[in-house]
Amino acid sequence: DQQVKQNSPSLSVQEGRISILNCDYTNSMFDYFLWYKKYPAEGPTFLISISSIKDKNEDGRFTVFLNKSAKHLSLHIVPSQPGDSAVYFCAASANNNNDMRFGAGTRLTVKP
Amino acid sequence: DSGVTQTPKHLITATGQRVTLRCSPRSGDLSVYWYQQSLDQGLQFLIHYYNGEERAKGNILERFSAQQFPDLHSELNLSSLELGDSALYFCASSRRSGTYEQYFGPGTRLTVT
Repeated sequence: DQQVKQNSPSLSVQEGRISILNCDYTNSMFDYFLWYKKYPAEGPTFLISISSIKDKNEDGRFTVFLNKSAKHLSLHIVPSQPGDSAVYFCAASANNNNDMRFGAGTRLTVKP
Repeated sequence: DSGVTQTPKHLITATGQRVTLRCSPRSGDLSVYWYQQSLDQGLQFLIHYYNGEERAKGNILERFSAQQFPDLHSELNLSSLELGDSALYFCASSRRSGTYEQYFGPGTRLTVT
């Protein structure tokens, strides 16, 4: 039961352009969403989060948008840098639960 | 460095064997989570402990068990290992239980031959 889906396994963009990573979820009880970045041979690192009471959260080059009616969130990276090349995981949690569900990840490659 | 440590880094063992993976959370974190990442798969939530008590179970097999000790470190025990158990096992910790960002360790790569 894949409650969090990242339908694009990979994405390639040019340095300086925008990267848009997408995530869909099915569980309407999810009320907190996070993005993690993972480099090879390392554990995932927290990037940015958003609560369901908001529709946008921005942190530097990273912005997460949440569309609750569509059960969709996206991560925008502007401008993209080669160092952003990594696997990005979307995750979701419900406040009355104690677990977090992750998507399968999207591998972002930023070309110089 | 997330502050979460996991040992060992790599583990190679045979089918049918039993192994124990260890995790030390960040200082002050009471919650520990275990995840499994198989090849080209996302992170599958296994189990969550908070201050020594089990709080949630995900897709954890009956052959697997975990515990969190009074000093808050946690161990994941995998028994009767099968080839399909080969994966990266991550531990994460957070300050409290619930919807808070988790900090991940570097993972233990388990290879079952």
